[in-house]
Amino acid sequence: DIQMTQSPSTLSASVGDRVTIPCRANQNISIWVAWYQQKAGKAPNLLIYRSSSLQTGVPSRFSGSGSGTEFTLTINSLQPDDFATYCCQQYNSYPWTFGQGTKVELK
Amino acid sequence: QVQLVQSGAEVKKPGASVKVSCQASGYTFINYDINWVRQAAGQGLEWMGWMNPDSGDTGYAQKFQGRVSMTRDTSINTAYMEMSSLTSEDTAMYFCARVSSYTRRDLPFWGQGTLVTVSS
Repeated sequence: DIQMTQSPSTLSASVGDRVTIPCRANQNISIWVAWYQQKAGKAPNLLIYRSSSLQTGVPSRFSGSGSGTEFTLTINSLQPDDFATYCCQQYNSYPWTFGQGTKVELK
Repeated sequence: QVQLVQSGAEVKKPGASVKVSCQASGYTFINYDINWVRQAAGQGLEWMGWMNPDSGDTGYAQKFQGRVSMTRDTSINTAYMEMSSLTSEDTAMYFCARVSSYTRRDLPFWGQGTLVTVSS
């Protein structure tokens, strides 16, 4: 199985900050990565698909990049509603796998 | 608009089975795969498997092989996930999710989740 690693597990930031969240795959997965935002008790919300494509309706302050094994989610000018957990998912091959998530908390 | 509505919370004893439903609306049910993902409290998301509602074809994560079954009833646009031989480690929130129309891989549409608690 492909392992997706997210570190750190928690990231402290302030409103207005630029935040970058890394995700690493243990083998080449091309661009087949999605990013989700999840808040407590809720279903995940798709932000980015195919590494860098912005999902319809998602604010443009969110962006994704990377290919192969290294991927990044960037939030420009962090907003109060953005404090949540972010996780990456690979769908290059079955079984699909998720990272453990990075929680963005208020500094 | 696309909606996935799941059945309510379940409490089961160890060794029992559970069947969770996921009723779809707002699109043609048979045209998009349904995936199931679970999440234990405080843990990450865990992909369980997929089902093609048109053909009934399925694919399961090896961890769940032999213990999970994903089925559907196209007459009522509903997908099901049934898991047997439950243990306390199966206590989690279970989500159904539909693939996107673009890549057919990522998951833009999710049910609200069904909490399954396994306890004696």
